[in-house]
Amino acid sequence: EVQLVESGGGLVQPGGSLRLSCAASGFTFSSYEMNWVRQAPGKGLEWVSYISSSGSTIYYADSVKGRFTISRDNAKNSLYLQMNSLRAEDTAVYYCARDLNTVTTSPDAFDIWGQGTMVTVSS
Amino acid sequence: DIQMTQSPSSLSASVGDRVTITCQASQDISNYLNWYQQKPGKAPKLLIYDASNLETGVPSRFSGSGSGTDFTFTISSLQPEDIATYYCQQYDNLPTFGGGTKVEIK
Repeated sequence: EVQLVESGGGLVQPGGSLRLSCAASGFTFSSYEMNWVRQAPGKGLEWVSYISSSGSTIYYADSVKGRFTISRDNAKNSLYLQMNSLRAEDTAVYYCARDLNTVTTSPDAFDIWGQGTMVTVSS
Repeated sequence: DIQMTQSPSSLSASVGDRVTITCQASQDISNYLNWYQQKPGKAPKLLIYDASNLETGVPSRFSGSGSGTDFTFTISSLQPEDIATYYCQQYDNLPTFGGGTKVEIK
């Protein structure tokens, strides 16, 4: 079964750091581009970051640029999001999501999603 | 950033009704437009990609059309299990989502 499982969420104080992980199974992780997408409580979806299959191409939303770092370990079938200088407005469910296409080097459609991990930034 | 304006923000329809949601891009995005369904407490699910292509396993009552700046998502005959929030998403530039349309049963 194709599956993505996020972990690492929790409660953190403003200015703090957190590292999210996403474990992939059921497909050849190293062939797929990956993304992080978040959803604040009661709000819509916001794309956060993208990483190509090799890790050589990375994009960020302006709202997280300079604070968040996306990475991957293809040997461990894992995707990561290092979040620093966290703010209250970063409070959200964070989803990892797989890109539908394997031949591009930019985000497109997200065909597989994890269940999400909640990040709460509050003092 | 490309802005995606989705309407209506919510709608109420009867089982069997035809439901239409529109999404307008702030600039030409060709056919780089996807549609997702999200049920409460669940992750989004891809329904339509590249404006009109039905994702594998998605019922044929769902369809999409449009190109350029104006796009339409249609449920031909609303079913009780279609109660959800629907989002459009462009990827001509870095991805952005529409604000969502909450679909309820009348």
